[in-house]
Amino acid sequence: QVQLQESGPGLVKSSETLSLTCTVSGVSISSYYWSWIRQPPGRGLEWIGYFYYSGSTNYNPSLKSRVTIVADASKNQFSLRLSSVTAADTAVYYCAREIYGGNFDYWGQGALVTVSS
Amino acid sequence: DIQLTQSPSFLSASVGDRVTITCRASQGIDHYLAWYQQKPGKAPKLLIYAASTLQSGVPSRFSGSGSGTEFTLTISSLQPEDFATYYCQQLNSYPFTFGPGTTVEIK
Repeated sequence: QVQLQESGPGLVKSSETLSLTCTVSGVSISSYYWSWIRQPPGRGLEWIGYFYYSGSTNYNPSLKSRVTIVADASKNQFSLRLSSVTAADTAVYYCAREIYGGNFDYWGQGALVTVSS
Repeated sequence: DIQLTQSPSFLSASVGDRVTITCRASQGIDHYLAWYQQKPGKAPKLLIYAASTLQSGVPSRFSGSGSGTEFTLTISSLQPEDFATYYCQQLNSYPFTFGPGTTVEIK
């Protein structure tokens, strides 16, 4: 059974770097594309970007200058780094598996990250 | 970026009702559209992909249709567990974008 689990600090100071890790079980991360998606409290969903095991990435232009997604195949994990955060980056961050070119069939339970001043 | 709009943004319905939600894209996206259901405090759940293909395990009362710029999600007979927020998502081009959501509440 495929499972995803986000982990990382729940509180980040403004101007610092947000770091989250998604641990995948039940499938190898080398077999699919993997994305990060976020949802500010009470609001809609925003796709952040994807990672493919070959090293290919694609980021939302709205965040591109601040985002990095990397993977550690030996741990079957991939990670999100978002630099220079502000209060606008406060959100629940989800990791998700892509199928068929961009549908998200498996999601983590979400990690709330609050940016404090 | 491709913008998605949903209507209505909120609807109140009763168990057994037929419910239809519309998603419109700012430009043609062929059939590259997915629908998700999200309940409070939970991750979204994929219901339909490729505009009309039911994801494995999703009840057949859910159906999707459309292509190009206009799409619909229909719940043929609303069940108590269907009260949730529904989002459409386009995967025709990057960046992937989501609609603002439609909340279905109990009348």
